[in-house]
Amino acid sequence: GAVVSQHPSWVICKSGTSVKIECRSLDFQATTMFWYRQFPKQSLMLMATSNEGSKATYEQGVEKDKFLINHASLTLSTLTVTSAHPEDSSFYICSARDQDRERSPNTQYFGPGTRLTVL
Amino acid sequence: ELKVEQNPLFLSMQEGKNYTIYCNYSTTSDRLYWYRQDPGKSLESLFVLLSNGAVKQEGRLMASLDTKARLSTLHITAAVHDLSATYFCAVANTGNQFYFGTGTSLTVIP
Repeated sequence: GAVVSQHPSWVICKSGTSVKIECRSLDFQATTMFWYRQFPKQSLMLMATSNEGSKATYEQGVEKDKFLINHASLTLSTLTVTSAHPEDSSFYICSARDQDRERSPNTQYFGPGTRLTVL
Repeated sequence: ELKVEQNPLFLSMQEGKNYTIYCNYSTTSDRLYWYRQDPGKSLESLFVLLSNGAVKQEGRLMASLDTKARLSTLHITAAVHDLSATYFCAVANTGNQFYFGTGTSLTVIP
């Protein structure tokens, strides 16, 4: 089955620093990836849609200058949390859609998540 | 904006009992997904429902979709402790963006 990995699994950083999270589709190509944020005991909230070779589309209320998304290849999207603050501490999950729609139509594959703690 | 609500938010049930989780959504969609999440983990895909009237079953879980009522249900039959987790439904819009329900935290008591 399709596998999506994230790196790192968890990260602890100081307030004001930037953190980069990687999302990779390991055995398929993904023109579109999605980034979600989940606060403790809450649901997943879509942050942005990452499109290979073009600018990401951000959901309302998500600061694009704070959460930088780069989708440089068909298997890699990165989310950089710039000048992180304690309120950015959360569980960040990415998902990827298999480009081969006939093989797996309408399916998103979720990564294992990255837990970010900002001190 | 597509809104998705689940009911109940918290559910505590005894082993062997049956129960249903409800998922309502606000705008038209013909794709609905159910996921399971264990503490500290990512999402595990349970069901994909792609058409009105779709019913899928896996073990003690059965999911159904009524697109006219904008309602999906996840029915649990004869619950066992291993089913304790948080269950999310998600609805996809035409851009294939997923909007998740509020989640149902299920605890199965021996």
